[in-house]
Amino acid sequence: QSVLTQPPSVSGAPGQRVTFSCTGSSSNIGAGYDVHWYQQLPGTAPKLLIFGNGNRPSGVPDRISGSRSGTSASLAITGLQAEDEADYYCQSYDSSLSGVVFGGGTKLTVL
Amino acid sequence: QVHLVQSGAEVKKAGSSVKVSCKASGGTFSNYTITWVRQAPGQGLEWMGWIIPLLGRTYYAQNFQDRVTITADRSTSTAYMELSSLRSEDTALYYCARIVGASWFDPWGQGTLVTVSS
Repeated sequence: QSVLTQPPSVSGAPGQRVTFSCTGSSSNIGAGYDVHWYQQLPGTAPKLLIFGNGNRPSGVPDRISGSRSGTSASLAITGLQAEDEADYYCQSYDSSLSGVVFGGGTKLTVL
Repeated sequence: QVHLVQSGAEVKKAGSSVKVSCKASGGTFSNYTITWVRQAPGQGLEWMGWIIPLLGRTYYAQNFQDRVTITADRSTSTAYMELSSLRSEDTALYYCARIVGASWFDPWGQGTLVTVSS
């Protein structure tokens, strides 16, 4: 049972927009701790996609965006492409656990 | 550009220990904080702990406090993660990563598969 809750799967057709939710609580996202997102392509290590809630590292296209509000965060991908098919994880810090926490991950299927 | 390369796959017996290495290049190792994350087969990511090589200071996740030891050798720019009293549930991919901004993980090593057999 992950501290941050993510839906197990989302899907979308090429060109569409999909969103990923990450729900926390008052001891993590709701306490103001930053949320970061990672993309894990099949058989590879996770890769940083969004840091500090909504910032993109160099090389990440602007069709990918992130935001945080209250006890939740979200990741959006527009102009969906087949290469976006991967698992997506959110990460934050939890003051009750005094440590880093991850969501359980969401598998994106491009139809 | 920082690059992390991990040691190869390991097969261990239940009850034994494993030590995984993570060698950094392309930056100043002493300025990093290195963290370890594991991923059981078909499962999500689980944070294990971190080390500040410059200070030798470590911090471990509650779930691993009794069994994990993270160390670093500044002379070789290498961090290590040792997990003891292995059990079958420890079979997983183990990743190292650099912590940036005291918060996010980038980049990640390629991962090391540890298989625990009974």
